[in-house]
Amino acid sequence: DAGVIQSPRHEVTEMGQEVTLRCKPISGHDYLFWYRQTMMRGLELLIYFNNNVPIDDSGMPEDRFSAKMPNASFSTLKIQPSEPRDSAVYFCASSLGAEQYFGPGTRLTVT
Amino acid sequence: GQQLNQSPQSMFIQEGEDVSMNCTSSSIFNTWLWYKQEPGEGPVLLIALYKAGELTSNGRLTAQFGITRKDSFLNISASIPSDVGIYFCAGQPFSGNNNDMRFGAGTRLTVKP
Repeated sequence: DAGVIQSPRHEVTEMGQEVTLRCKPISGHDYLFWYRQTMMRGLELLIYFNNNVPIDDSGMPEDRFSAKMPNASFSTLKIQPSEPRDSAVYFCASSLGAEQYFGPGTRLTVT
Repeated sequence: GQQLNQSPQSMFIQEGEDVSMNCTSSSIFNTWLWYKQEPGEGPVLLIALYKAGELTSNGRLTAQFGITRKDSFLNISASIPSDVGIYFCAGQPFSGNNNDMRFGAGTRLTVKP
């Protein structure tokens, strides 16, 4: 199995620009999670989906953040407009039960 | 509430030494997971624990689900340089849904050859 796939691995953008992060979960997994990791706050859950439906988005910091899962094999996390404080590593994870499997992450830098 | 306290925050050890780290909570947890994260990569699942008292090994790694259901520990025996990384505990609170996962702040392990 290829594992969870994320793209891009690195993104550098200017403040105010739109950023789209992409995730392909492990085939057959019915849960998909988006996390953000920073030195100050550690791993934070942003949103998760079950069977493509958003279940809990209480961790999404602001309206500038949005996530979609149009089908079982693809999800996006969009930030519009981006701000320097959004700089972090964003992880996607998927699961079938309790065990979550993480992708390699997207390192986002907003200048 | 239901936060995980992971300790120690960091460890500097000599190759060959054994390592022990733990996670505690004030609340009961259903599941404990241990992950390792290397620089530039995502966390990788090492061990999953589902029952109080359960002791599980994965090579040189051993983890236990505490009897009180409020703690877990991870031991690494005979450490080697490639054990370097950040180790995270994660758990599902008893009162949460199946996907309410809490993460500890991590233990940063450095192994000197």
